[in-house]
Amino acid sequence: ETGVTQSPTHLIKTRGQQVTLRCSSQSGHNTVSWYQQALGQGPQFIFQYYREEENGRGNFPPRFSGLQFPNYSSELNVNALELDDSALYLCASSSGGTEETQYFGPGTRLLVL
Amino acid sequence: GNSVTQMEGPVTLSEEAFLTINCTYTATGYPSLFWYVQYPGEGLQLLLKATKADDKGSNKGFEATYRKETTSFHLEKGSVQVSDSAVYFCALVSGGYNKLIFGAGTRLAVHP
Repeated sequence: ETGVTQSPTHLIKTRGQQVTLRCSSQSGHNTVSWYQQALGQGPQFIFQYYREEENGRGNFPPRFSGLQFPNYSSELNVNALELDDSALYLCASSSGGTEETQYFGPGTRLLVL
Repeated sequence: GNSVTQMEGPVTLSEEAFLTINCTYTATGYPSLFWYVQYPGEGLQLLLKATKADDKGSNKGFEATYRKETTSFHLEKGSVQVSDSAVYFCALVSGGYNKLIFGAGTRLAVHP
């Protein structure tokens, strides 16, 4: 069974640029959630996708957007990058349902200069 | 709103010492409670969970009991090892869709 994978592992961008992060969910999982973890803090929920539809969103501006594909992999897109967007971005997959355990990928570390 | 509060770190212990990391929560309804661990440079790994009051989650020598009366889910281990050095996150899911709410994390450093 393949776990959750994310790419790239590290990324450096400059302010104002756009970035796309990718996540492959664990086999059999149809739900993907994205979290932002700033240095020294707990992860903050960005949004969740269930069967290709956005299923819920945290307190993040619209320049954070996402997609889920028919194979349940997902992308996180961030436009007009700001310095405060520098963080570890974590993807988690689960098998749906309100309290199913979420399994996390290793994350993508984004640095905005 | 829903929230999780953890004891501040870092927690520094000698090998074989007893560990307690405090976690309290505020939630509507009846949340499920989780402990996740993050080793240096890695993502989060589920350590244990409990889905209803008085449930005890356990894994790898770690335990936590869901205490509804005190809204707590403290993490304990009887004898820590150097390899337990990591950041530990308490989290909850409550109602609606499956959105995890995390505490700020507690860094544990175990010395030989």
